[in-house]
Amino acid sequence: RKEVEQDPGPFNVPEGATVAFNCTYSNSASQSFFWYRQDCRKEPKLLMSVYSSGNEDGRFTAQLNRASQYISLLIRDSKLSDSATYLCVVNEGSGYALNFGKGTSLLVTP
Amino acid sequence: DAGVIQSPRHEVTEMGQEVTLRCKPISGHDYLFWYRQTMMRGLELLIYFNNNVPIDDSGMPEDRFSAKMPNASFSTLKIQPSEPRDSAVYFCASSFPFRSTDTQYFGPGTRLTVL
Repeated sequence: RKEVEQDPGPFNVPEGATVAFNCTYSNSASQSFFWYRQDCRKEPKLLMSVYSSGNEDGRFTAQLNRASQYISLLIRDSKLSDSATYLCVVNEGSGYALNFGKGTSLLVTP
Repeated sequence: DAGVIQSPRHEVTEMGQEVTLRCKPISGHDYLFWYRQTMMRGLELLIYFNNNVPIDDSGMPEDRFSAKMPNASFSTLKIQPSEPRDSAVYFCASSFPFRSTDTQYFGPGTRLTVL
């Protein structure tokens, strides 16, 4: 399978900080992009889809750059509850198989 | 509503034994996915089904692994014989996609330890 690459971190940030994660993917035919969140010893859950025009959901903003095959996630005003691993996910372009990055670990401290 | 249900939640077995993992997808979802997660390799897709038919099994590691979906509400992943390197968390996920952007819903996982 084609690769999805993320900086594993960990990113240690204080409450209220802004933090950004990046992800690159190798399959130029990829059509759909997502960020999933995984808490320690739990299952992954969809955080947000990533659209070509960029999208925002509260404190979270996702951006896609197809030319550079690059996805980003920005978290503003970090909360303690944001501590988790954030998985960059790319649809392979055919069928419904998802390709997951290994994740970026975030720890928000008081 | 019940989410994806997996059993057992934890399994400890000895090398060479047969292991069967079970999954009940969300009712109405016609796609079912089996994943394996390890620290070294992250989350890997093993196989997925559509309407109970296997669509892509290219992620299945080797012949020791097999998966079935006899009906819309049940799937199994079997490892025979098991080896220590099979130790991982195995997730089942389901979705009901109109398009590829639909969400996959994951079960809580089965934590497998092969001694």
